[in-house]
Amino acid sequence: EAGVTQFPSHSVIEKGQTVTLRCDPISGHDNLYWYRRVMGKEIKFLLHFVKESKQDESGMPNNRFLAERTGGTYSTLKVQPAELEDSGVYFCASSRSTFLGGQETQYFGPGTRLLVL
Amino acid sequence: DQQVKQNSPSLSVQEGRISILNCDYTNSMFDYFLWYKKYPAEGPTFLISISSIKDKNEDGRFTVFLNKSAKHLSLHIVPSQPGDSAVYFCAASASSYKLIFGSGTRLLVRP
Repeated sequence: EAGVTQFPSHSVIEKGQTVTLRCDPISGHDNLYWYRRVMGKEIKFLLHFVKESKQDESGMPNNRFLAERTGGTYSTLKVQPAELEDSGVYFCASSRSTFLGGQETQYFGPGTRLLVL
Repeated sequence: DQQVKQNSPSLSVQEGRISILNCDYTNSMFDYFLWYKKYPAEGPTFLISISSIKDKNEDGRFTVFLNKSAKHLSLHIVPSQPGDSAVYFCAASASSYKLIFGSGTRLLVRP
């Protein structure tokens, strides 16, 4: 079973530019999450999709961030325009079930390292 | 305000000895706790979890202990191996998909 994949692995852009991150979840996983880790701090929840529907975007920092999951498969996270404080590692995760416990957990991708100069 | 805290940013132990990683939380609504392990340039990988109805869960060399009254959990690795060197994240959830992570502890196991 292929894991969660993310593209690109790294991105360096200038302040004010636009960047789009992509996540392909594990096949069959309806639940997709975006998280972010800034400057070696904790990993923070950004949002949660169930299929193509946003269930919770309470962690999105501001309206410069837009996440989509058209067709309920892969997801994109666009930052426009990027600011210096957006630098960090963006992780995508997926799960079969919404609820944690037993054998259910969230599987993380390798992350996209974003640097805004 | 951080709801999950890992106060030790790093830990170094000798191979074969026990590694103890600690985690404190403030939200009494948390009912499920997880430990993830992360190697450089990789995403976090699930290691072990525990429900709030238990106080211990064991999986091979890894044991997680939960002390609800102290709002504290710990991960014990026995015996520690060089391949265990990684960053370990504690995470918690409150009957929810939303994971709240600590800032991580970097474990170095010396050969």
